[in-house]
Amino acid sequence: AQKVTQAQTEISVVEKEDVTLDCVYETRDTTYYLFWYKQPPSGELVFLIRRNSFDEQNEISGRYSWNFQKSTSSFNFTITASQVVDSAVYFCALSESVGDYKLSFGAGTTVTVRA
Amino acid sequence: GAGVSQSPRYKVAKRGQDVALRCDPISGHVSLFWYQQALGQGPEFLTYFQNEAQLDKSGLPSDRFFAERPEGSVSTLKIQRTQQEDSAVYLCASSLSGLLLGTGELFFGEGSRLTVL
Repeated sequence: AQKVTQAQTEISVVEKEDVTLDCVYETRDTTYYLFWYKQPPSGELVFLIRRNSFDEQNEISGRYSWNFQKSTSSFNFTITASQVVDSAVYFCALSESVGDYKLSFGAGTTVTVRA
Repeated sequence: GAGVSQSPRYKVAKRGQDVALRCDPISGHVSLFWYQQALGQGPEFLTYFQNEAQLDKSGLPSDRFFAERPEGSVSTLKIQRTQQEDSAVYLCASSLSGLLLGTGELFFGEGSRLTVL
């Protein structure tokens, strides 16, 4: 069963627009961790954030912000005032407490920012 | 180098050939992971090492896949008798400790793209 669903396959925006990436997860554990990674064309995944299931505070880091809602099992990611350098594939991932070393990734959302 | 290094970056194999993919993790990183990423998909877990011990190999697709990390640093993923369905990018990642300690950041290499003809 898919543990992480990223319903948006591709998103295309014009520079300076905001873009929100959806992530819905599924787990029976009460303790779990959620992640976002960025994969630019070069291929390596770049860590963006980790949140644990007990911390529902929204987080902002520069132009990036994350909205974690346990009630809807969602961990959405917003890029404000997008730039061409934000063009990449973005992955949401889940780590459950039983296997805390494993990441279950979603299928990814390709973001294209046009100048 | 400062990051995770993987070689070769690209490998073309004929069906039935054996291949070996190498991963040099960041020095001092205890945990090492291999993931397989098919085209247009997210990475899928293959196996996990803590130092030289392979603690989980549940993600390896078949007994044709074998991974080792004999001295707790460099790791090799070997695929025997390659099949077309093995075509994918193989990603290596390392972390200083586990996912739940520190920032939980995994450092990924750029991957080895395997194409089986």
